[in-house]
Amino acid sequence: RKEVEQDPGPFNVPEGATVAFNCTYSNSASQSFFWYRQDCRKEPKLLMSVYSSGNEDGRFTAQLNRASQYISLLIRDSKLSDSATYLCVVTIGSNYKLTFGKGTLLTVNP
Amino acid sequence: EAGVTQSPTHLIKTRGQQATLRCSPISGHTSVYWYQQALGLGLQFLLWYDEGEERNRGNFPPRFSGRQFPNYSSELNVNALELEDSALYLCASSLGEGYTEAFFGQGTRLTVV
Repeated sequence: RKEVEQDPGPFNVPEGATVAFNCTYSNSASQSFFWYRQDCRKEPKLLMSVYSSGNEDGRFTAQLNRASQYISLLIRDSKLSDSATYLCVVTIGSNYKLTFGKGTLLTVNP
Repeated sequence: EAGVTQSPTHLIKTRGQQATLRCSPISGHTSVYWYQQALGLGLQFLLWYDEGEERNRGNFPPRFSGRQFPNYSSELNVNALELEDSALYLCASSLGEGYTEAFFGQGTRLTVV
């Protein structure tokens, strides 16, 4: 089983839609959780950290369920500029390396 | 403030040659991470350096090696290049051990022919 698994996608949605990404991780010792965004042929950039209490940043909401080892990202009112690959990332134990999921490609259509 | 910088942007090598990729972290960052992003495979962890020492290594053969210099910049060396080493190599930096927020450079695209 892979350490971090994401929806394979791709997702194609119209502008204004709400879209949800799901991610599961296999190691219960995972400590930190993030969503990164990667535009085509660009480097990944941190979108938001994910906390147990859940967190929101404008149109973006991230949630963590430690019992189910599950992370989610919700994007409301999608914009064309949200088109990118969304990467689920965890760190495991005291090992600070970031372990990435394969990513889910989102295309927002006009 | 300058971000993470990598050089060269593109590199073309022939099979069997050696490649050297360079990374300068954000000022004040002591940790440097290297990742390989091959087509369709996602980001695969290669190496982590902190304070000049190798702290962790991914599942890559020994011909992938590197080092971190006293100024915290880093070098990734790939010996005996194989065609499947063609990929985008990304470097990221963070404030150090315990700080997991990492910032990426734009990468070096290595093509092995």
